[in-house]
Formats: sequence, C-alpha cells, structure tokens
Amino acid sequence: QQKVQQSPESLIVPEGGMASLNCTSSDRNVDYFWWYRQHSGKSPKMLMSIFSNGEKEEGRFTVHLNKASLHTSLHIRDSQPSDSALYLCAARTSGGNYKPTFGKGTSLVVHP
Amino acid sequence: EAAVTQSPRNKVTVTGGNVTLSCRQTNSHNYMYWYRQDTGHGLRLIHYSYGAGNLQIGDVPDGYKATRTTQEDFFLLLELASPSQTSLYFCASRGTGNSGNTLYFGEGSRLIVV
Repeated sequence: QQKVQQSPESLIVPEGGMASLNCTSSDRNVDYFWWYRQHSGKSPKMLMSIFSNGEKEEGRFTVHLNKASLHTSLHIRDSQPSDSALYLCAARTSGGNYKPTFGKGTSLVVHP
Repeated sequence: EAAVTQSPRNKVTVTGGNVTLSCRQTNSHNYMYWYRQDTGHGLRLIHYSYGAGNLQIGDVPDGYKATRTTQEDFFLLLELASPSQTSLYFCASRGTGNSGNTLYFGEGSRLIVV
C-alpha cells in the first residue's frame, strides 16, 4: 500500500519568515495531493490541493508538484502565529482508488 | 461548508467493552471514511464506504467493524475494545465531481479504553 512521507517532523520559524514543508509518495501511480491543516484540538481542514506538475499559489501559500519524483512541497511566506498547526499531506493513486493516504504530518510553530 | 457530526465526542470504556461511534453527514456525499489519529502515526484509514450498504476495508481494520445504514450515517463498531484502540477517531465525507476531492472532517471522537 502507498506510504506518504513528510519532512521535517517539526519546524520552527519566526513570524514573517518562510516555512517549507515536504511530502513524498511511495507509489508511482499517485495522481493527486492535498495539504490539510489541523490546529490544536481541531479537525483537519483542506488547505490546498494539486494534481498537475508545477506550482499553485493562493495568497501566502504556494504548492509545488513534481510528479516524476512523486514529491510535493508547501511553502508559507510571511508566516503568522496563527499558522502554527499540524500540516498533513495526503495522496491518492489513480485507478479509482478513493482512499487518500495521509502522512504523519509536520508540526509548525511560528513564534512572534 | 460541509457538515459532518460525530458522537459521542468523548468516551471511556473498559477493556472488552462494546463501543459504537456514530457519524452523520448532511451534504449528500457518497463517500464516508473512518480514520484514527495517534501521535507518531498521523491519520490512518480504518474503513470507508461508497454508499448505503457498501463497506470497504481500510489500512488498519483489525478490531473494527463498520456499517453504512443510509447515505447520511456511518458507524464504527468496536465489539471487544482493547487499550490499543485508545485514540482520536475522525469521520470524513467527500462528494463527487468538482467538489469531490476534498475530505470534510467531523470534530472527532476521543476514545479511552482502560
């Protein structure tokens, strides 16, 4: 079964800094990635998704995808204390499999 | 935003006890999922369903049963609870088509097995 690896496990950045999170799938049939954000004590909420090679930007958040290397990354510029959360990467494989597999997450702390 | 409601939100049971976690979604979504979340393991899929009466096995199904009675309702059953099943359980739903690629999660059910 597919495995999704995230790095780093934890990350501390200063307010206003750039946070970069990584995610890699083990399955060559991966065709869709999501990034979910989970604040402490809350449920995960979808932040961004990507399925085409390249880059997608939404405000302070940018997602990159390189399908050849099965790798996606999430970059948060001008990080805010409210961005402090667990960031979960999920991936789906093609072929009608509708069960997204999650990584273990990256815990981000943005200190003022 | 899509609504997914879980109950109970907190539950304590004894080893060998019987537990049912309930999930209801009012979004007319076809797909529903049960995940458990544990420190160091992330979210792991237990069971999922394509629709009423359908059940698919996830990645960590041992010790769990599930039943999808209607499009709205998905239940997770622990018939002989063990301490290893102490966890935070999330239910999620997703639709199809253009809105079908996002999972909407409930608020979670925390289960402690003593």
